[in-house]
Amino acid sequence: AQKITQTQPGMFVQEKEAVTLDCTYDTSDPSYGLFWYKQPSSGEMIFLIYQGSYDQQNATEGRYSLNFQKARKSANLVISASQLGDSAMYFCAMRESTNAGKSTFGDGTTLTVKP
Amino acid sequence: EPEVTQTPSHQVTQMGQEVILRCVPISNHLYFYWYRQILGQKVEFLVSFYNNEISEKSEIFDDQFSVERPDGSNFTLKIRSTKLEDSAMYFCASSEALAGGPRETQYFGPGTRLLVL
Repeated sequence: AQKITQTQPGMFVQEKEAVTLDCTYDTSDPSYGLFWYKQPSSGEMIFLIYQGSYDQQNATEGRYSLNFQKARKSANLVISASQLGDSAMYFCAMRESTNAGKSTFGDGTTLTVKP
Repeated sequence: EPEVTQTPSHQVTQMGQEVILRCVPISNHLYFYWYRQILGQKVEFLVSFYNNEISEKSEIFDDQFSVERPDGSNFTLKIRSTKLEDSAMYFCASSEALAGGPRETQYFGPGTRLLVL
């Protein structure tokens, strides 16, 4: 079974609007972390935001926020006020405490911001 | 801001040749990782390394792969006899500590794009 599922291969958003990128996960480990990374066309992986399984509040980092719904096992990334530079591939990833640091990645979502 | 660096950025090699990919993790980090991303596919875990030994490896990380920390700063991935299917982007990552389990963020380098002909 897929541990991380990103159901949106591609998304479009108008500049200055908000967009939500979906991520659902599957784990039986009570302690885990969820991460979002951005991969521009140049190829590097840029860390955006982290949410811990025991965190009571949704994580926020500038224009990025994470809509964490633990019971639904979802960790959607919300980007507010989209900018042209946000056009990239976005990956959701999970690390479980039982897996010694290994991150499992989803297939990614390609976001295109339209002017 | 400290960052993970990788060299070379691109490497072209002939099938059957050995390649060494180099990484300099963030200086106070203790855990090091290699991942690969075949073009258009997801990022896949290869190996994690701590205290001069492998702590976990995936089924992809077979006998043709090895990792080493030859000095206090470099972390290398060696592919002994490259195959066409080894063509991919290889990412090095590091994290500060693992004591808290999954909380530590892994910071990725810019990647080495390997092409095996």
